Amino acid sequence: ETGVTQSPTHLIKTRGQQVTLRCSSQSGHNTVSWYQQALGQGPQFIFQYYREEENGRGNFPPRFSGLQFPNYSSELNVNALELDDSALYLCASSSRTEANEKLFFGSGTQLSVL
Amino acid sequence: SQQGEEDPQALSIQEGENATMNCSYKTSINNLQWYRQNSGRGLVHLILIRSNEREKHSGRLRVTLDTSKKSSSLLITASRAADTASYFCATDPLTGRRALTFGSGTRLQVQP
Repeated sequence: ETGVTQSPTHLIKTRGQQVTLRCSSQSGHNTVSWYQQALGQGPQFIFQYYREEENGRGNFPPRFSGLQFPNYSSELNVNALELDDSALYLCASSSRTEANEKLFFGSGTQLSVL
Repeated sequence: SQQGEEDPQALSIQEGENATMNCSYKTSINNLQWYRQNSGRGLVHLILIRSNEREKHSGRLRVTLDTSKKSSSLLITASRAADTASYFCATDPLTGRRALTFGSGTRLQVQP
């Protein structure tokens, strides 16, 4: 078990709604990355936050946005939900120096869009 | 898009046998990592190999890297039922966006 916690664990929304997912990073970690994992696929990079600023973004539209707070916790917001947004959303924390060497993942939030 | 592609997509073996999974990637890298994911859970980091290394061991795990072929393999020796999981390779690209890019994974089933 890592020290990364995500909430909620499961969520059901309808198309067009908005959702906020939350992540508390492991103690001592100042970098948070978010990934989307569709069923049967590998995780896809959404974006990364360091010192409360976005520090890299994958091929996701602007309706995917995020925040990082002074305590390094983070939120992922998705507006105008689409059916294809149904996936497992994973948060991963790391130290800045190890951001691309070792990620510590939470257990994820399973989002279903109906 | 997926940077790495694992092969095979699924593998079923008996307890005690060795399991080998392969990963191919497309761009030059700083390092390559392997992660494990139990069903519907978060990923757990297993091992990292740097671009200037060819082989690395950790317990029952052995990883090789061939940068000329842009490929890596993960060997799990003397497998156990508890090794049943999905295994993903992840690459840290040398240039461009500095974020780990994951492959599509190998689903390993170890029969007791």
